[in-house]
Amino acid sequence: DAMVIQNPRYQVTQFGKPVTLSCSQTLNHNVMYWYQQKSSQAPKLLFHYYDKDFNNEADTPDNFQSRRPNTSFCFLDIRSPGLGDAAMYLCATSRGGGRETQYFGPGTRLLVL
Amino acid sequence: RKEVEQDPGPFNVPEGATVAFNCTYSNSASQSFFWYRQDCRKEPKLLMSVYSSGNEDGRFTAQLNRASQYISLLIRDSKLSDSATYLCVVNGGSGGSNYKLTFGKGTLLTVNP
Repeated sequence: DAMVIQNPRYQVTQFGKPVTLSCSQTLNHNVMYWYQQKSSQAPKLLFHYYDKDFNNEADTPDNFQSRRPNTSFCFLDIRSPGLGDAAMYLCATSRGGGRETQYFGPGTRLLVL
Repeated sequence: RKEVEQDPGPFNVPEGATVAFNCTYSNSASQSFFWYRQDCRKEPKLLMSVYSSGNEDGRFTAQLNRASQYISLLIRDSKLSDSATYLCVVNGGSGGSNYKLTFGKGTLLTVNP
């Protein structure tokens, strides 16, 4: 049973054309995260929501934004994708409160033409 | 010093070999430690948590040395299916929030027949 679901699995967009990636979870976890991972690099945290509280990483570009309309869903919006934004985008969840595991979705691979 | 630093790899070993991965972390306040496994073009998946007393799960043994801020993973009798990237993961990234994880860059393991 899928616990963290990401759609689409592959996304192709044009340079500068806004794109939205979605994530949903059936775990009822408090925390949802968005990571960017480029080839041969570690996942890089972009931001996370603890319940409704949004927490942006200091070095996340303004081009990246997120929405969490309810516990189950979280969206990553890229307002004006550049070629350098081509990457795997991973959504993860955790219960919150510290010291617990994060569970990852299968990721969305973004290609920018 | 990088927050989480791992052996750069890659490691190429024959089936049946024993292989060890090393990792150091910089945040002395970290409380949770994990090894994740990531197959090519897939999401990271939890392999095992790492406890202060050390822990074993079948062919996999994890060790933690808090004084040295050092974590290790030992794989005995390696199988072809062990081929993957192994990510060292520590909680309590920069800026607080002890539920946030910091990932190492990963070490690629290839087990050869």
